[in-house]
Amino acid sequence: IVLTQSPDFQSVTPKEKVTITCRASQSVGDHLHWYQQKPDQSPKLLIKSASQSFSGVPSRFSGSGSGTDFTLTINSLEAEDAATYYCHQSSILPLTFGGGTKVEIK
Amino acid sequence: EVQLLESGGGLVQPGGSLRLSCAASGFTFSDFAMNWVRQAPGKGLEWVAAITGNGGSTYYGDSVRGRFTISRDNSKNTLYLQMNSLRGEDTALYYCAKRAIVGPTGVGFGDYWGQGTLVTVSS
Repeated sequence: IVLTQSPDFQSVTPKEKVTITCRASQSVGDHLHWYQQKPDQSPKLLIKSASQSFSGVPSRFSGSGSGTDFTLTINSLEAEDAATYYCHQSSILPLTFGGGTKVEIK
Repeated sequence: EVQLLESGGGLVQPGGSLRLSCAASGFTFSDFAMNWVRQAPGKGLEWVAAITGNGGSTYYGDSVRGRFTISRDNSKNTLYLQMNSLRGEDTALYYCAKRAIVGPTGVGFGDYWGQGTLVTVSS
């Protein structure tokens, strides 16, 4: 399953809302998850199963969607949210990741 | 606290072999499937392999199938990745990741990841 993320890059002002989309080449149900990776760090799970926040994740992060179209939303972006965000499907092997969306703070 | 510590990376010549390890703590290791995921320098994430909690089933990405072998020793809380016939395109930071869902069978996405170990394949 190919996961296509858009945009590839986004430059955003603090407190702005960020929306990242992930489209799957075939239905993955709700087996779609989102990770945040900051420079020189390992990926951190943000959202599991399309819309469930992982433990300890700030409430400004939310996910939605099902089937083939998914969205990660960051409400009121903070400086610490500068990172690359990846979607990931676990519906069908091989597990696959989207190409990533880099979010830069203006 | 879940901790995953990878080791075993290094510089290896094309065609060579390397074995990576991932020492796990902070959870009941045998209850969870484990993944290896890699990231080439400046690139995105690529799933490499997975193994069920009981070690009974293994799964591989197309790019490594037949060259890499994932295994685990539940008595030592350690995950392994034996890499043979290494190629330049295997150069990457290799992460181990714990499956998010408990269960001795089945594989799936990871909730906690280690810091990675760097493998460089070059002559």
